[in-house]
Amino acid sequence: EADIYQTPRYLVIGTGKKITLECSQTMGHDKMYWYQQDPGMELHLIHYSYGVNSTEKGDLSSESTVSRIRTEHFPLTLESARPSHTSQYLCASSVVASGGATYNEQFFGPGTRLTVL
Amino acid sequence: KNQVEQSPQSLIILEGKNCTLQCNYTVSPFSNLRWYKQDTGRGPVSLTIMTFSENTKSNGRYTATLDADTKQSSLHITASQLSDSASYICVVSDRGSTLGRLYFGRGTQLTVWP
Repeated sequence: EADIYQTPRYLVIGTGKKITLECSQTMGHDKMYWYQQDPGMELHLIHYSYGVNSTEKGDLSSESTVSRIRTEHFPLTLESARPSHTSQYLCASSVVASGGATYNEQFFGPGTRLTVL
Repeated sequence: KNQVEQSPQSLIILEGKNCTLQCNYTVSPFSNLRWYKQDTGRGPVSLTIMTFSENTKSNGRYTATLDADTKQSSLHITASQLSDSASYICVVSDRGSTLGRLYFGRGTQLTVWP
């Protein structure tokens, strides 16, 4: 079991609210990721980070923003939540392999199920 | 376009029976293929990872195979248990970037009945 944590696990909020989904890992991994997953659908990468002060947009356009001030912490923020943001949000981390990686294994958190009314 | 297709979409089997899940991919250049198990409301957990040179890998009752020539993989579950009920996701990584981008299938939803 990987040491990657997400809070809250479930969140129900009203439209227009600002929310922050927390993600932290204790493995010292450099790379961290946020995915969005709808029921029965594949995971879509929305943000990733190579390390502290590095953030990049993923494949799926998202109105959320992220920050990486500390290695272990990668929070995701929605300034004004809308019903279209209802989804499951999964955080993951992986270690950067030096000298040319054969692969980097991603470890996933338990997810946050967000419902915007 | 890099894609990962899984079949069947859903599967119901009786406890104790075996089953095989399929994965076809078009990801290139290929780096590795992983199978994840995702319980309802949880994050995916890695079962196996296979690189280009590997054609089979086992993890307990789970055995994955890889045919890099035909770009196909299968996950075989032996003597299924009720706890095997979950979504099984095939994930392929490319080696075209330092990120090691992952391409996810939609998963096969397996239900094991007593």
